[in-house]
Amino acid sequence: DADVTQTPRNRITKTGKRIMLECSQTKGHDRMYWYRQDPGLGLRLIYYSFDVKDINKGEISDGYSVSRQAQAKFSLSLESAIPNQTALYFCATSDGLAGPNNEQFFGPGTRLTVL
Amino acid sequence: AQSVTQLDSQVPVFEEAPVELRCNYSSSVSVYLFWYVQYPNQGLQLLLKYLSGSTLVKGINGFEAEFNKSQTSFHLRKPSVHISDTAEYFCARYAGGTSYGKLTFGQGTILTVHP
Repeated sequence: DADVTQTPRNRITKTGKRIMLECSQTKGHDRMYWYRQDPGLGLRLIYYSFDVKDINKGEISDGYSVSRQAQAKFSLSLESAIPNQTALYFCATSDGLAGPNNEQFFGPGTRLTVL
Repeated sequence: AQSVTQLDSQVPVFEEAPVELRCNYSSSVSVYLFWYVQYPNQGLQLLLKYLSGSTLVKGINGFEAEFNKSQTSFHLRKPSVHISDTAEYFCARYAGGTSYGKLTFGQGTILTVHP
């Protein structure tokens, strides 16, 4: 079984709709991250959480919100989706005790299309 | 801001040829660097990392990278590529200080290996 899972894997929605992307992990890590990937731009950090009560904005948080329901679950919401939020979204986890040895483990991604 | 720059967006090569994917980073006191690979329709996985010590780092699947402080580079190399190496490769750095615990990614390099 995969250590980091994302649901759904693909989603097509319309402008203005509310969308939730979910991430679960079985690695026991306390840190979780949400990124979006756009061609030619690499991965950009949307939000990150170092534990259940610690949530922080990344470089592109506008238009997004998150919820850390438990150590193992971290959800990303688009309150009112717009076409330029069409992208590939990745969840990742890492071990908070690792310091610079901060290998992040990625889920398989969610491809979101906003029409 | 601490950053990484990947100098090539696409690199086409023939099978069994050598390849170099280039990455430069902005200089700072402490530098921790990573290379990740993303195979088609998959999440990212770690290839190798430089934290300290030897400047030549060996990773999985025959890849290696050399940390060059004077040239602020961390280029990824493989002496003989296979079709299965076709993927997108990302250089990343660990951000300390006020960005503690986060990774900053480059724009990505798409490696295409032709038969």
